[in-house]
Formats: sequence, structure tokens, C-alpha cells
Amino acid sequence: GQNIDQPTEMTATEGAIVQINCTYQTSGFNGLFWYQQHAGEAPTFLSYNVLDGLEEKGRFSSFLSRSKGYSYLLLKELQMKDSASYLCAAGTDSWGKLQFGAGTQVVVTP
Amino acid sequence: GAVVSQHPSWVICKSGTSVKIECRSLDFQATTMFWYRQFPKQSLMLMATSNEGSKATYEQGVEKDKFLINHASLTLSTLTVTSAHPEDSSFYICSARVRPPGETQYFGPGTRLLVL
Repeated sequence: GQNIDQPTEMTATEGAIVQINCTYQTSGFNGLFWYQQHAGEAPTFLSYNVLDGLEEKGRFSSFLSRSKGYSYLLLKELQMKDSASYLCAAGTDSWGKLQFGAGTQVVVTP
Repeated sequence: GAVVSQHPSWVICKSGTSVKIECRSLDFQATTMFWYRQFPKQSLMLMATSNEGSKATYEQGVEKDKFLINHASLTLSTLTVTSAHPEDSSFYICSARVRPPGETQYFGPGTRLLVL
């Protein structure tokens, strides 16, 4: 079957670093996506990894290990506006179909 | 670039009526669009994959006669919720795949449907 696991909630203080882990098991795989979703809004794209390794984009970095079925999203220098749900999604076929995890709610405190 | 719009953003309708939601890719051509549904505090659930010029592919458990999808052009897909019932109340989100060059899906702002 298909399974995407990520923690339900994480809390961190402003200026700190938070790492959101995601493990996946899918019948097909062609990349791992991270999206940010604020309450009541649609998801916005953060990152895409298809090869093993770390991709850095400003304060956000994403890592992928295909052999371990594992990814993480690293948020640095946390800001209050980073409080949101972070969705891990695996691309599962050539049409681009995504299998989403349940999302990790990140709460940033002053 | 890669902007996806949805219309309307809010719909309130009576039980038994049909509601049409439009999804447009504004600055790119999208051969594939996806329709998702999201209930409060839950993740996105894929309803169907929509390819331009062909019939949509529905996920298991999604009634194709209730959720009609038409991908009329490379920039427009529509979802019609037929004979809507209160349990259809949800947040409906479309996404479009930028192809070429990448694999990324970009999401529309979503449509909140409330069926009374």
C-alpha cells in the first residue's frame, strides 16, 4: 500500500531551527515534494527532491534519501509567519499524481 | 509565473443543486490538472486526474457521475458537483502540473463549498 508518515505537530521558538521528518512507502516514486499550507488557504510549493541529497533554498532546505524512503524539511531562523501546516507529498506516477501525508502543524512561539 | 486561479472562491448552495468550479492556469499550459478535496484539519485527498482532451481518471471511492470533470482546454478544467448534499461541503482545490520543464504542481487558491 501507500503510506506517507510525518509528525502531527511541532512547536519551536522564533529564530530557532525545526526539522520535519517524512517517511514514505509508495508503489511508484518520482520525487518528493514539500508544501506549506496556512489555515484556510491552498498549499504553496516549497521544494522538490528527486535525487538523494540536500536542496537549499533560503531559510528552507529539503533532504531526500531514496534508499531509506526518507525526507526532511529544515526550517531555519523561524519567523512567526512560518506557523503553518507542512505537507510532505510523494509523486507516484508519470502523470504527476501526488500522495500527501497528513501534514505537520508547526507552531512558532515568541 | 505558474499561477493557478479558481472561481468561485466561496459557494453556498441549497441541497440538490449543482455547483461548477473552474480552475485555470493563467500563465502556462497544463496538460494535466488535479482535483483535491480537503476536510477540516485533514490532508488533501486526490479526487481525480484531469487530462486535456480525455476523460478524467477518478480515485477509488469518488463517484464520477457526481463529480463531473471537464478539461476543455490546456488552461481550463471544471469540476461540477451534481445534486450537492451537506456532506459534500468541503474545501475543493485544483492543481496544475507545469510540463515542461518540471514536475511541480501549483495549486489554485481553493473553493470553499457549503451545502445547506
